[in-house]
Amino acid sequence: QKEVEQNSGPLSVPEGAIASLNCTYSDRGSQSFFWYRQYSGKSPELIMFIYSNGDKEDGRFTAQLNKASQYVSLLIRDSQPSDSATYLCAVVDSSYKLIFGSGTRLLVRP
Amino acid sequence: NAGVMQNPRHLVRRRGQEARLRCSPMKGHSHVYWYRQLPEEGLKFMVYLQKENIIDESGMPKERFSAEFPKEGPSILRIQQVVRGDSAAYFCASSPGVYYDTEAFFGQGTRLTVV
Repeated sequence: QKEVEQNSGPLSVPEGAIASLNCTYSDRGSQSFFWYRQYSGKSPELIMFIYSNGDKEDGRFTAQLNKASQYVSLLIRDSQPSDSATYLCAVVDSSYKLIFGSGTRLLVRP
Repeated sequence: NAGVMQNPRHLVRRRGQEARLRCSPMKGHSHVYWYRQLPEEGLKFMVYLQKENIIDESGMPKERFSAEFPKEGPSILRIQQVVRGDSAAYFCASSPGVYYDTEAFFGQGTRLTVV
């Protein structure tokens, strides 16, 4: 079982819609959860982090964490074509390693 | 306020040569992660280092690969006797510490091509 799992996509949404990206993790001792965005040929860029159960909002982005279900998600409201990228879920596991999922490719159609 | 600096950005090596990749963390950061990324794939964890210590190297291949983070200077990822399969983008990230609530920031990566 992979430590951090994401659907590879592509997830295609129309401009202005809400994009919902999901991630599950296997290590129950994980405490910190991050979402990175990576454009093709570029390095990952941190966009959100969450440590506590519930929702955390930052502009058009909302991260949701459910530790009981070992599930973390990212919602992007009012999606723009410039949001088209690969979104990487990352987890600091119980041994302090920062582990990444394989990423979900998001395509926002104009 | 410089970010994480990696060099070189592009590196071409012939099979059998050595590759040295450097990573200077952000100011105030004492922890470094190294990742390898193949085209269209995710980031594969290689090694997690603190200054003068390897904390976790469970993702490093057993042979030819080594990493260090000396008290002074950048972190180095060293690949000896490179093979074509080593061609990839290598990213490093730095963070302030080992606590759960610290974020890691990435450098621009080194694209290694083995010919």
